[in-house]
Amino acid sequence: AQTVTQSQPEMSVQEAETVTLSCTYDTSESNYYLFWYKQPPSRQMILVIRQEAYKQQNATENRFSVNFQKAAKSFSLKISDSQLGDTAMYFCALMNYGGSQGNLIFGKGTKLSVKP
Amino acid sequence: DTEVTQTPKHLVMGMTNKKSLKCEQHMGHRAMYWYKQKAKKPPELMFVYSYEKLSINESVPSRFSPECPNSSLLNLHLHALQPEDSALYLCASSSGDPYDYGYTFGSGTRLTVV
Repeated sequence: AQTVTQSQPEMSVQEAETVTLSCTYDTSESNYYLFWYKQPPSRQMILVIRQEAYKQQNATENRFSVNFQKAAKSFSLKISDSQLGDTAMYFCALMNYGGSQGNLIFGKGTKLSVKP
Repeated sequence: DTEVTQTPKHLVMGMTNKKSLKCEQHMGHRAMYWYKQKAKKPPELMFVYSYEKLSINESVPSRFSPECPNSSLLNLHLHALQPEDSALYLCASSSGDPYDYGYTFGSGTRLTVV
């Protein structure tokens, strides 16, 4: 069975500071991908960052970076210079890739509030 | 066009009504998905269409009926729903290309069953 666990239901951070969201996962597959999605109050799920499991180098996208520890099955998201627009629900997700389409398995989410 | 468009954005329906949700994408994606999301919960997969054929049905009740008329369009037909079916219904698409993984989500339809 594949699972994704986010142990922090809610977090808050001051504007301009750095915050790290935790995610652990479990899968028996060797080929998989990991994602962080953001869902603001507007409801749309927005891809923040993604990581291929076979790549050792941690992915970065502007202010967003991940710490991918494959042996520990850990995939945390670091947000630097937090902005008010970062306030959202953040979901960690796992996709085992096989065939023509995959299936996203989501964690329960972390609600992040950025305070002015 | 890099969007997934869902209509309507909001829908209120009675338990005896029949309604449909619509999802459209023009990115050439060959896989399309319906997810159901209850408040403060992660999305739950309902259906997957791959190359216009239903490939996954996650034991969804028959009062939800998906349809994929063509590669750009995905519908979800609703009939005799229950109040507990009230939720945000998200559509997503993906190319299916291993080098272009990741889903593009629409902004959802907020459904209320009264």
